[in-house]
Amino acid sequence: GESVGLHLPTLSVQEGDNSIINCAYSNSASDYFIWYKQESGKGPQFIIDIRSNMDKRQGQRVTVLLNKTVKHLSLQIAATQPGDSAVYFCAENRSHKLSFGAGTTVTVRA
Amino acid sequence: EPEVTQTPSHQVTQMGQEVILRCVPISNHLYFYWYRQILGQKVEFLVSFYNNEISEKSEIFDDQFSVERPDGSNFTLKIRSTKLEDSAMYFCASSEGSQGHSPLHFGNGTRLTVT
Repeated sequence: GESVGLHLPTLSVQEGDNSIINCAYSNSASDYFIWYKQESGKGPQFIIDIRSNMDKRQGQRVTVLLNKTVKHLSLQIAATQPGDSAVYFCAENRSHKLSFGAGTTVTVRA
Repeated sequence: EPEVTQTPSHQVTQMGQEVILRCVPISNHLYFYWYRQILGQKVEFLVSFYNNEISEKSEIFDDQFSVERPDGSNFTLKIRSTKLEDSAMYFCASSEGSQGHSPLHFGNGTRLTVT
């Protein structure tokens, strides 16, 4: 199954399910986007990035989708594991500075 | 895997005192950054540094802040006269290319508490 959060600050997902974390960005001129994961007491950890000339990019168990028409970015995590519990931030390159979103807290239920 | 290291992990200081936060970026990276995160809030950009000078800074980065790369490995953030509202996590980051083209790699931060 899937657990989807639509611009929600929290997402609870069953272990083994797929997760989808959504992010809306504001600047149509942004050309580079990054997803970060932040665990308690640690700095943001790079997960995956995508440039505006792409719609989709896949990594290990993660996929980022970019919809420039509606200025929407999503991160899909396949087969969510307990170690995926963290706060996930999207960041956009705006005026040569990374601007971070508010973050989605993902909690994985055993 | 190379990583960005920051010291100290926690710094407590009195209002009005000067603090220096230290960072060792990843060795082959050319761009360096400071960000901060007030408890429960977004990660905010402070400053970027390239070729021994500031390339971008935010409105937060006022005259009480300064950055320096004193040698080939360290990158420091100095806050001259700390205020209560400076209490936050301060993250150093580095990247191979500029922010618009390469991912930033962050350290684990320094928690600054101003009393």
